[in-house]
Amino acid sequence: DVKVTQSSRYLVKRTGEKVFLECVQDMDHENMFWYRQDPGLGLRLIYFSYDVKMKEKGDIPEGYSVSREKKERFSLILESASTNQTSMYLCASSLLQGAHPGELFFGEGSRLTVL
Amino acid sequence: AQKITQTQPGMFVQEKEAVTLDCTYDTSDPSYGLFWYKQPSSGEMIFLIYQGSYDQQNATEGRYSLNFQKARKSANLVISASQLGDSAMYFCAMREPILNFGNEKLTFGTGTRLTIIP
Repeated sequence: DVKVTQSSRYLVKRTGEKVFLECVQDMDHENMFWYRQDPGLGLRLIYFSYDVKMKEKGDIPEGYSVSREKKERFSLILESASTNQTSMYLCASSLLQGAHPGELFFGEGSRLTVL
Repeated sequence: AQKITQTQPGMFVQEKEAVTLDCTYDTSDPSYGLFWYKQPSSGEMIFLIYQGSYDQQNATEGRYSLNFQKARKSANLVISASQLGDSAMYFCAMREPILNFGNEKLTFGTGTRLTIIP
């Protein structure tokens, strides 16, 4: 089974703090994604990576950065957390050519609260 | 413009009844894929079913089936004989390319919260 592991299920941070959300997958998937989930808005793509050290902006990249130094690990960074970044963050991975092209395998999510 | 539309924010259904969750999509690409995911209260996203745009038959996976109407651009999820464990958020998603890189992402709808009543 594909395993996508997010380092923290729940985090509470203060405004202005630097926040790291870590994600590791164990199935050698090429693609990795960070989504943000908010009530009434569904899931929105923050950043995407298709290879080591490669990253591309998604639909809502402002206020975020990412790092992919190893194939299995994709980190989301909030340089200076703000209250409007309080949300559920979902990491996902996918094969370049899978049985269902584009199918995402998700981690359990990290619920971040910024005070 | 919204590419995936789920018009039912919430639904209440009696246990053992069938449920249809609506999803419409918008794309000009002839090659696309449609997904349904389930998200229980625990938070994990569970893949349910996939339909490719060129698939001749509607997808089925156990109690789940996808009512794919290409001309109407709809991909409704049908759950037969609903169970209490079906209570969850359900998301429809469409595969689309990320510009310039030939890779793909999923774009999600806003979701439908389904509650099964005993």
